[in-house]
Amino acid sequence: EIVMTQSPATLSVSPGERATLSCKASQSISSNLAWYQLKPGQAPRFLIYGASTRATGIPARFSGSGSGTEFTLTISSLQSEDFAVYYCQQYNNWPQWTFGQGTKVEIK
Amino acid sequence: EVRLVESGGGLVQPGGSLRLSCAASGFTFSTYGMNWVRQPPGKGLEWLSYIAHSSSAIYYADSVKGRFTISRDNAKNSLYLQMNSLRDEDTAMYYCARATRDGYDVWGLGTLVTVSS
Repeated sequence: EIVMTQSPATLSVSPGERATLSCKASQSISSNLAWYQLKPGQAPRFLIYGASTRATGIPARFSGSGSGTEFTLTISSLQSEDFAVYYCQQYNNWPQWTFGQGTKVEIK
Repeated sequence: EVRLVESGGGLVQPGGSLRLSCAASGFTFSTYGMNWVRQPPGKGLEWLSYIAHSSSAIYYADSVKGRFTISRDNAKNSLYLQMNSLRDEDTAMYYCARATRDGYDVWGLGTLVTVSS
């Protein structure tokens, strides 16, 4: 099983600042990585796939990078609606597409 | 509007059974693989099961293999998860999610399952 490790567990950021979230895979997954946003009472939201491609309707302030084993999600200027928990997911190892444990982005 | 709506959650005793449903609308359900994913309280997401668009391929996580059964009815645009021999650790929010080759692009709001005596 491919283990996904996210850091930090919690990130405290002020509105308007940049947030940088890390995700590491236990083995190479090429660019087969997705990012999701979870907020209480809402359906999880598909943000990024292919490590760097924004899903339909996702604002340009969200960007993804990386390949192999190390990946980053950057939110360039945090808006109030961006405070949430973010999960990375590898989809290199069909069908067990494993998730990281999540990073909570909270208001500083 | 593309939409997934889960139902069927609730309180069940350990060892009991529950059947979850996921109603799809706004897209051609019969052309997509579907998944069940859960999130225990205070924990991360866990993939549980996948079913191909025609039910020709089905997979399970080891944690639920032999206890949970995924199925679908394309005529009713519905996905199901039959959960038997439930344990305390199965307590979670259960989501259905549409599969693409690059991740799960549509999710429902989830349905809460609580296993407790």
